[in-house]
Amino acid sequence: AQSVTQLDSQVPVFEEAPVELRCNYSSSVSVYLFWYVQYPNQGLQLLLKYLSGSTLVESINGFEAEFNKSQTSFHLRKPSVHISDTAEYFCAVSANSGGYNKLIFGAGTRLAVHP
Amino acid sequence: DVKVTQSSRYLVKRTGEKVFLECVQDMDHENMFWYRQDPGLGLRLIYFSYDVKMKEKGDIPEGYSVSREKKERFSLILESASTNQTSMYLCASTPGGAFLDQPQHFGDGTRLSIL
Repeated sequence: AQSVTQLDSQVPVFEEAPVELRCNYSSSVSVYLFWYVQYPNQGLQLLLKYLSGSTLVESINGFEAEFNKSQTSFHLRKPSVHISDTAEYFCAVSANSGGYNKLIFGAGTRLAVHP
Repeated sequence: DVKVTQSSRYLVKRTGEKVFLECVQDMDHENMFWYRQDPGLGLRLIYFSYDVKMKEKGDIPEGYSVSREKKERFSLILESASTNQTSMYLCASTPGGAFLDQPQHFGDGTRLSIL
């Protein structure tokens, strides 16, 4: 069965520092990969996605993620974070599991950006 | 923009009550989903629906049921609320088809407390 592991439950970082949020997935078939962000008291919003093609995907607010098939990873990075990036980030894989198509989420990583 | 609206942001109910959580989307999406979100567990799929009057169990359907009488509305029902159903509930939708490559659009969530 497919699964998603986010290796860090919490990541504290200072403003303007770089950050990497790690995500590994297990799957024996082709998958689609997503990062969602959840700001306080809100639902999830799509940050970026990998469907096919270039393994490096970017979001409009400076985040990027790289699909690494050999390591089954889809880590999220940002070279310089802002206070406003404080949120919870979820990695997800879209695959057929248990006989139906579904989105499988990791447990989430809480990013706390400090001044 | 897709709008997914959940009728209540916060809800407090008593053990044994029948509880209804409502979700409406305005983009004519075929697929709708109900998740619960718990700290350290990420999002877990309760039920989903591919079409009107159609429903499928997700990973944790016990204690819940759903109703989809109209395309835009998907209701989650707690038949007899228990304290272990205290959680954040999120509704989502996607366009029709296999939807594996489609990002899901989420509502802002309903934080439900069962006393």
